[in-house]
Amino acid sequence: EPEVTQTPSHQVTQMGQEVILRCVPISNHLYFYWYRQILGQKVEFLVSFYNNEISEKSEIFDDQFSVERPDGSNFTLKIRSTKLEDSAMYFCASSVSPGQGSRGYTFGSGTRLTVV
Amino acid sequence: AQSVTQLDSQVPVFEEAPVELRCNYSSSVSVYLFWYVQYPNQGLQLLLKYLSGSTLVESINGFEAEFNKSQTSFHLRKPSVHISDTAEYFCAVSSSGGYQKVTFGTGTKLQVIP
Repeated sequence: EPEVTQTPSHQVTQMGQEVILRCVPISNHLYFYWYRQILGQKVEFLVSFYNNEISEKSEIFDDQFSVERPDGSNFTLKIRSTKLEDSAMYFCASSVSPGQGSRGYTFGSGTRLTVV
Repeated sequence: AQSVTQLDSQVPVFEEAPVELRCNYSSSVSVYLFWYVQYPNQGLQLLLKYLSGSTLVESINGFEAEFNKSQTSFHLRKPSVHISDTAEYFCAVSSSGGYQKVTFGTGTKLQVIP
């Protein structure tokens, strides 16, 4: 079964530092997403990405966030200057077709970001 | 805009007993509905989905959910739970037709007691 791979599984960073969360989507998928889950809260949509540009972003996805597909296989989420409230589990997802379609997203296992 | 409500944050149930995890949604347009499961220290896995057609959908591991448009519900049920079903379950909704992001509920932790 193809998987979405996320690295690292856990990252600790100091407040104000930049972090890059990495994801390798399934190879034939065209649509890519980042979601986050603050501890004890719901999973929230951050951004969707298609054809090398952002399709949609939430109000959470402010100027501190950026996404990139630098080499055709990786899909990264960068947080420029981390805040304590950025501590969360970040999930990458990919899909063949937009949205859920008939197959749904495939989610990665997540990166737990802890900002201290 | 759409939203999902999962009223039960935790549901303890004895092994081999039935369980129902409740989900209600709100949307002004037609929707797709989903249940995702998150096992400890793992990512989100799609459990089952309703896109159209039969309102009763089933998963391969014995869960089922029924789309009830009049009650705007998509409750998840299993007639007999196993220890291995212990996980957190998320109900989710997206608008049907074309690209739409997914909105998740707050999750329900199912704890199966031996």
